[in-house]
Amino acid sequence: KAGVTQTPRYLIKTRGQQVTLSCSPISGHRSVSWYQQTPGQGLQFLFEYFSETQRNKGNFPGRFSGRQFSNSRSEMNVSTLELGDSALYLCASSSYARAPPLGEQYFGPGTRLTVT
Amino acid sequence: AQSVTQLGSHVSVSEGALVLLRCNYSSSVPPYLFWYVQYPNQGLQLLLKYTTGATLVKGINGFEAEFKKSETSFHLTKPSAHMSDAAEYFCAVSPGGSFGNEKLTFGTGTRLTIIP
Repeated sequence: KAGVTQTPRYLIKTRGQQVTLSCSPISGHRSVSWYQQTPGQGLQFLFEYFSETQRNKGNFPGRFSGRQFSNSRSEMNVSTLELGDSALYLCASSSYARAPPLGEQYFGPGTRLTVT
Repeated sequence: AQSVTQLGSHVSVSEGALVLLRCNYSSSVPPYLFWYVQYPNQGLQLLLKYTTGATLVKGINGFEAEFKKSETSFHLTKPSAHMSDAAEYFCAVSPGGSFGNEKLTFGTGTRLTIIP
């Protein structure tokens, strides 16, 4: 199976702009989670989508939003970019083919966002 | 609420020596525990996981970890370090076992350096 793919891999934006990141989960996986990784704050949970519904949300401002499509692909949007939004954004997918779910998440390579 | 503490942000070991990376967790419910590895400019790769059952779990690349409930620990070990083990390692916890609880809480990471 192909792994989790994220596009683009690298992105440079200017303060005040908005950005959309894309994630395609492993085939058959219905849950997609997003994480932000920075040197100062480490890995922080942004949100999780399952069957097009946001189920969990981390402690991030409303400028961060996401959505999931019927094919489980997900997008994450950040509006009014700030310098502090520079980070590696990681997407992870999970399968719920069995119950209870094992909780393991498979990560993509990430999108490196630089805000100048 | 859940949290993870990784003792030692940097660990250096000689090639062929024992690798020991420490992880302690806090969880109000029975946890699922994970170790992930991250190589430069890549996403996270699952090394191993503990959900239920046997407390000693074996993972990829010769790593293993032991879940000790009484010590709230999940330390990662490898008997003999290899140069290719140089990477950053993350311990993570989730309140697994039911749908809607897949959020991973990560430790701050331990950078492992292998000395030739």
